[in-house]
Amino acid sequence: DAGVIQSPRHEVTEMGQEVTLRCKPISGHNSLFWYRQTMMRGLELLIYFNNNVPIDDSGMPEDRFSAKMPNASFSTLKIQPSEPRDSAVYFCASRRDSDTQYFGPGTRLTVL
Amino acid sequence: SQQGEEDPQALSIQEGENATMNCSYKTSINNLQWYRQNSGRGLVHLILIRSNEREKHSGRLRVTLDTSKKSSSLLITASRAADTASYFCATESSYKLIFGSGTRLLVRP
Repeated sequence: DAGVIQSPRHEVTEMGQEVTLRCKPISGHNSLFWYRQTMMRGLELLIYFNNNVPIDDSGMPEDRFSAKMPNASFSTLKIQPSEPRDSAVYFCASRRDSDTQYFGPGTRLTVL
Repeated sequence: SQQGEEDPQALSIQEGENATMNCSYKTSINNLQWYRQNSGRGLVHLILIRSNEREKHSGRLRVTLDTSKKSSSLLITASRAADTASYFCATESSYKLIFGSGTRLLVRP
């Protein structure tokens, strides 16, 4: 089975631009998580979806960040406008019910 | 703030030696998990120990959990160069995984 798929793997953009990160969870998983990893703050949960519904978005830094899950096989994390402090590795993870979370390879975002 | 804090932050050992990493946490948990992250890669789940368990084994990995002290340890026996990575503990309460700051392990050949 394919694992969690994320695209792009690397993104370099300029401050003020819109950035869209994509995630395809493992088929059959009903929960999806977006995390951000930085040197300063480590791994932080941004948002959690269950059955395509956002359950907890308390980790989303500010209104510039938004996430959607239009169906069970696709989610996006959008940053508009992007800022240099958004530079980080963004991970998507999925799981079925309360099983183990499986992480994607991450998207390394650099905002110049 | 992070729930789990790992100790040590970095560890360098010779191949064949054992590596022990510790994790402390602050609040009550459902379970505690350990993940490995190779440089520039995603996280790989290693082992999960539930709050009512005290010890768990998986291959060369041994995890202990002391809920009275709110601490856990991960022991990797007979380490290999391929074990070089960062190791994170993560506590789960409800659906949330909260990660520690990680231990960077270097296994010298």
